[in-house]
Amino acid sequence: QKEVEQNSGPLSVPEGAIASLNCTYSDRGSQSFFWYRQYSGKSPELIMFIYSNGDKEDGRFTAQLNKASQYVSLLIRDSQPSDSATYLCAVNEGEYGNKLVFGAGTILRVKS
Amino acid sequence: DVKVTQSSRYLVKRTGEKVFLECVQDMDHENMFWYRQDPGLGLRLIYFSYDVKMKEKGDIPEGYSVSREKKERFSLILESASTNQTSMYLCASEGAANTGELFFGEGSRLTVL
Repeated sequence: QKEVEQNSGPLSVPEGAIASLNCTYSDRGSQSFFWYRQYSGKSPELIMFIYSNGDKEDGRFTAQLNKASQYVSLLIRDSQPSDSATYLCAVNEGEYGNKLVFGAGTILRVKS
Repeated sequence: DVKVTQSSRYLVKRTGEKVFLECVQDMDHENMFWYRQDPGLGLRLIYFSYDVKMKEKGDIPEGYSVSREKKERFSLILESASTNQTSMYLCASEGAANTGELFFGEGSRLTVL
């Protein structure tokens, strides 16, 4: 059973700070990595994906991937109260398409 | 905008009942998925489908079956509901070119008494 591990949190950061969310995965063959955001009572929505080692930036979000260490992270700069949500790390497996394995999620709370 | 619609938001059923959860997407996506979400366990894949009449087991298929008679519709069936199937069920369809971008429905919260 392939596994994706996340600290459940909650991770509390003050408004304007950098939030750092971490994820490790067990399958060395995984090629695609995703971060989904889920607001309370809502469904997950994709916010970032990364395929290659290194950093990928999109606005205030940066995804970081280190395949050798089997580690993915998400940095949120200038955190806002509206960023308060559960962040789900997902990793692909399977021969066809993108069958995703999700972590249990990290709760982020941004305090104003 | 992609729309994934799940027919029932809240259901209460009794042990042993047959339960149908329906999901419809409007973007002509090939790939559709059923997950369940439980506190502390995250999303776990039950079944997925890459084409009409095609289905593949996910990680926790026991006690479930699926049907995909039309491209836009993917149904999850609990043949004989049990209390351990009380959960939030999320349907998703995947955008083009195997992007891994899943579009989720609003979820169906099932309680089995």
